[in-house]
Amino acid sequence: AQRVTQPEKLLSVFKGAPVELKCNYSYSGSPELFWYVQYSRQRLQLLLRHISRESIKGFTADLNKGETSFHLKKPFAQEEDSAMYYCALQGGSEKLVFGKGTKLTVNP
Amino acid sequence: GAVVSQHPSRVICKSGTSVKIECRSLDFQATTMFWYRQFPKQSLMLMATSNEGSKATYEQGVEKDKFLINHASLTLSTLTVTSAHPEDSSFYICSARRDTFRDRSSYNEQFFGPGTRLTVL
Repeated sequence: AQRVTQPEKLLSVFKGAPVELKCNYSYSGSPELFWYVQYSRQRLQLLLRHISRESIKGFTADLNKGETSFHLKKPFAQEEDSAMYYCALQGGSEKLVFGKGTKLTVNP
Repeated sequence: GAVVSQHPSRVICKSGTSVKIECRSLDFQATTMFWYRQFPKQSLMLMATSNEGSKATYEQGVEKDKFLINHASLTLSTLTVTSAHPEDSSFYICSARRDTFRDRSSYNEQFFGPGTRLTVL
């Protein structure tokens, strides 16, 4: 079974502080992992995917197969990073399985 | 960019009526679209995969006779909630798959619509 766990429903940090949004997954094969972001009153959009190994808006995420994790990190959070973040897994099919999401609030 | 629209954005209907929601890929063709349902403060749950020109594939527990999906063209998929009841009230989101080519690699990416808020009285 494919499962994505985001243990934190809410995460609050101050501007300039480091932030890490946790994501753990369960999948027997080689998954493709994604982070999606949803800003207030906007649609869900792709933030980054592990295969591209990019840094988007200062965010990075490394796939750790040993720990089955794909945590999202940013060294210095900005107020505009406040949003809902969803970790998602794509297994052998095109289907995406989403975690329950973490609401990040960056305080001034 | 790749834009996906949904119509209507919000609908209120009486119990027992049917509601149709449209999902369109505006600037690309999508052979595959997906329909999700999102309950308040919960994650997106995939309901079905919509394939152009063929029957939709429903996830376990989703009633295909309740949620009719038609993917009649490469840019349009519709979800019809038949004989809606208050428990069908939810936020319905579609996505469209687009193949992307970058750095000599190809991969598919899902682009999401803005969602439709359905309220059944």
